[in-house]
Amino acid sequence: NAGVTQTPKFRILKIGQSMTLQCAQDMNHNYMYWYRQDPGMGLKLIYYSVGAGITDKGEVPNGYNVSRSTTEDFPLRLELAAPSQTSVYFCASKVGAEPGANVLTFGAGSRLTVL
Amino acid sequence: AQKVTQAQTEISVVEKEDVTLDCVYETRDTTYYLFWYKQPPSGELVFLIRRNSFDEQNEISGRYSWNFQKSTSSFNFTITASQVVDSAVYFCALLNAGGTSYGKLTFGQGTILTVHP
Repeated sequence: NAGVTQTPKFRILKIGQSMTLQCAQDMNHNYMYWYRQDPGMGLKLIYYSVGAGITDKGEVPNGYNVSRSTTEDFPLRLELAAPSQTSVYFCASKVGAEPGANVLTFGAGSRLTVL
Repeated sequence: AQKVTQAQTEISVVEKEDVTLDCVYETRDTTYYLFWYKQPPSGELVFLIRRNSFDEQNEISGRYSWNFQKSTSSFNFTITASQVVDSAVYFCALLNAGGTSYGKLTFGQGTILTVHP
């Protein structure tokens, strides 16, 4: 049971480059999320999805895009990397909206540095 | 809008001391959930506890205990007889249970706990 898998774990980008952070879950969870963690700032929500084909913006969506073509995968794309996007990115998922099912499962994180 | 405040940025204690991490939250919803997560140096997020807004009973799990007080909008976390392995960043988080919240968590800034041998 892999849970939530994020790749890559580490990546260094140059300013202006593009890349995709991959997130996959094998728990048949409907809800998926992307958070970023900056030092001393806690985690901030970038985008979320409540099911395949449905995505919406979170608190800090600028500079990112997402897609959800399958229940399992929720990739996060950076189109034109900027130093402000240097952060640790966490993908998370949960079963659905039921109140008893609201504990998120987090991936191990992806550390991105933009130079 | 909801907000979670962890006023203590860093706490340093010596092993075996008790330590309390404070968490204050703001929300307009009457039904919500509060969480604590631990982030050890390895970086993953480890779920510790979830509490719903209708259950103010304090909880104890081994050396960990949580004090939830709706009157002061606080959900504090105490580690008794701290150990070096407790060194981590601890996050308090809030989830509104309303239909439009879609399970989105609001995190506090985190408290870095260092336990010295």
